[in-house]
Amino acid sequence: QQQVKQSPQSLIVQKGGISIINCAYENTAFDYFPWYQQFPGKGPALLIAIRPDVSEKKEGRFTISFNKSAKQFSLHIMDSQPGDSATYFCAASKGSGGSNYKLTFGKGTLLTVNP
Amino acid sequence: DAGITQSPRHKVTETGTPVTLRCHQTENHRYMYWYRQDPGHGLRLIHYSYGVKDTDKGEVSDGYSVSRSKTEDFLLTLESATSSQTSVYFCATKAGGVETQYFGPGTRLLVL
Repeated sequence: QQQVKQSPQSLIVQKGGISIINCAYENTAFDYFPWYQQFPGKGPALLIAIRPDVSEKKEGRFTISFNKSAKQFSLHIMDSQPGDSATYFCAASKGSGGSNYKLTFGKGTLLTVNP
Repeated sequence: DAGITQSPRHKVTETGTPVTLRCHQTENHRYMYWYRQDPGHGLRLIHYSYGVKDTDKGEVSDGYSVSRSKTEDFLLTLESATSSQTSVYFCATKAGGVETQYFGPGTRLLVL
């Protein structure tokens, strides 16, 4: 049972455009939703994260939108740059109640930003 | 990167042989995790540790065991490697009281 579904699998955007990646989750106990960025040959690195008590979080060109009732969250990359070309993973975890902060990941989105 | 090193970085082995991967951290983080990354599957949790000698299974633990005798080291052992365990293995760490997991550079394992 896949608890976090991510789409699209791949995305091609022109420089300066907006990249949008979507995720949906099933477990309503999840209370932490991070996005990780991974470049080829490297480990994933935290990009931005949100908790369900807010509907949006922005850090520079990166914004998470969160819809608790729909159990969906998305990553928006404004003014996309070729350097943003990477694989992006959404994830979710339940931080409290002895779950030990285990992350459940989506399958990833390969973003290519053309110059 | 929270001072995480993984060794070896690359390994080729044969089916049926035991393999041990090592994760070493210098940040004194309480939690440590082993994930595997495969095309089309994202990252999947194998085992994790919430303290020295405290470990538990993750989503895909069959065929793997772990040990943590010191805060800084978390070992992943494939008791008898199979071709299905060909993958890239990532270690991650997390401090207590914060959510962020920091990932190591990964170990690429090929089982022939």
